[in-house]
Amino acid sequence: GENVEQHPSTLSVQEGDSAVIKCTYSDSASNYFPWYKQELGKGPQLIIDIRSNVGEKKDQRIAVTLNKTAKHFSLHITETQPEDSAVYFCAALAAKGTYKYIFGTGTRLKVLA
Amino acid sequence: SAVISQKPSRDICQRGTSLTIQCQVDSQVTMMFWYRQQPGQSLTLIATANQGSEATYESGFVIDKFPISRPNLTFSTLTVSNMSPEDSSIYLCSVETRYEQYFGPGTRLTVT
Repeated sequence: GENVEQHPSTLSVQEGDSAVIKCTYSDSASNYFPWYKQELGKGPQLIIDIRSNVGEKKDQRIAVTLNKTAKHFSLHITETQPEDSAVYFCAALAAKGTYKYIFGTGTRLKVLA
Repeated sequence: SAVISQKPSRDICQRGTSLTIQCQVDSQVTMMFWYRQQPGQSLTLIATANQGSEATYESGFVIDKFPISRPNLTFSTLTVSNMSPEDSSIYLCSVETRYEQYFGPGTRLTVT
């Protein structure tokens, strides 16, 4: 079945450094890839997304890149701050018209002050 | 975007009992979803709930255990029935709007 692999499972960076989280998906029909940030005790929050017709999207310190040929996409956070510390989940829309999302296993990001 | 609230935010329940979780959205949406997130784990879809039709359950989840209601376009409930300690999880409601999915704050359930 459809699968999304996410790496690394944990990531520690110094404040001000960059963080990169990578995901690989299996369903070549997937065309929408959101990223979620989940802080302790809260629900996942949509932070950025990318559709299959573009290769990169930026929003301030956050960017996402997509390589459809290789079936992988990545989240890039620059100039990290302590408030970026959270669990990040990638996801892929499983198939057109189903609205079913397949989630990665999550990355716990710690930004060290 | 959509603003989603859930009640209760947390509960501790005895095994064998049932708990109904409510999900309220600030706008009308067609697609609502219920997820389970076990401690430290990713999100697993339980079912999709569309207004006016029966919920569609994912493999491993059945209606007798997780009955869902969807009486209108802004509200849904998920019941966790005959609970066991293995049901201890965070239960999340989410909605699809304009091709984006948004989540509620979750209900943290502990079964003793």
